[in-house]
Amino acid sequence: DAKTTQPPSMDCAEGRAANLPCNHSTISGNEYVYWYRQIHSQGPQYIIHGLKNNETNEMASLIITEDRKSSTLILPHATLRDTAVYYCIVRPNYGGSQGNLIFGKGTKLSVKP
Amino acid sequence: EPEVTQTPSHQVTQMGQEVILRCVPISNHLYFYWYRQILGQKVEFLVSFYNNEISEKSEIFDDQFSVERPDGSNFTLKIRSTKLEDSAMYFCASGQSPFNGYTFGSGTRLTVV
Repeated sequence: DAKTTQPPSMDCAEGRAANLPCNHSTISGNEYVYWYRQIHSQGPQYIIHGLKNNETNEMASLIITEDRKSSTLILPHATLRDTAVYYCIVRPNYGGSQGNLIFGKGTKLSVKP
Repeated sequence: EPEVTQTPSHQVTQMGQEVILRCVPISNHLYFYWYRQILGQKVEFLVSFYNNEISEKSEIFDDQFSVERPDGSNFTLKIRSTKLEDSAMYFCASGQSPFNGYTFGSGTRLTVV
């Protein structure tokens, strides 16, 4: 089962920041937080991942709390094309792991005009 | 931007028949995955493949399923003796490393009738 808890749905106004929370209170020291999204039954799309430091790329920012028990994905200027289901996934990053992902139900983000 | 290509996009098959779903991963990627998503349900991990062998598989991936990388570019999923409950979207994915995000294809919708 997924080790994360996310709200089932959120709305965001176009042009505003979308802040998607994720709770992962049982995260282990060697587990990273990954975010993917899925736009209307297309294949999931990788967004960002991190361990404990905040991360930023061209798509989003990831803010991880100091105790690592929760994180927030930030889409700084949401557009209608960002309407999707967003998945927060924790998994270990060590040599024995081959990278398989355990998806939960995610958060359905609706960006509205 | 490099893509993972899956063919066909939609396949309809009779119950009991064998199907082969095809994927062309990104050329310099070394890790390969199959996932599936039954309509309205979560994305589920099936199998990971590295160095020409299965590295991890889920409980779903039983003797009915097999994977192959026949020619160094294609990555196939074979489903023998299909059942109605095998109807789903099947996603192929590839990555350079299991520790970074990886790229999913757009999927093959399998309908078993």
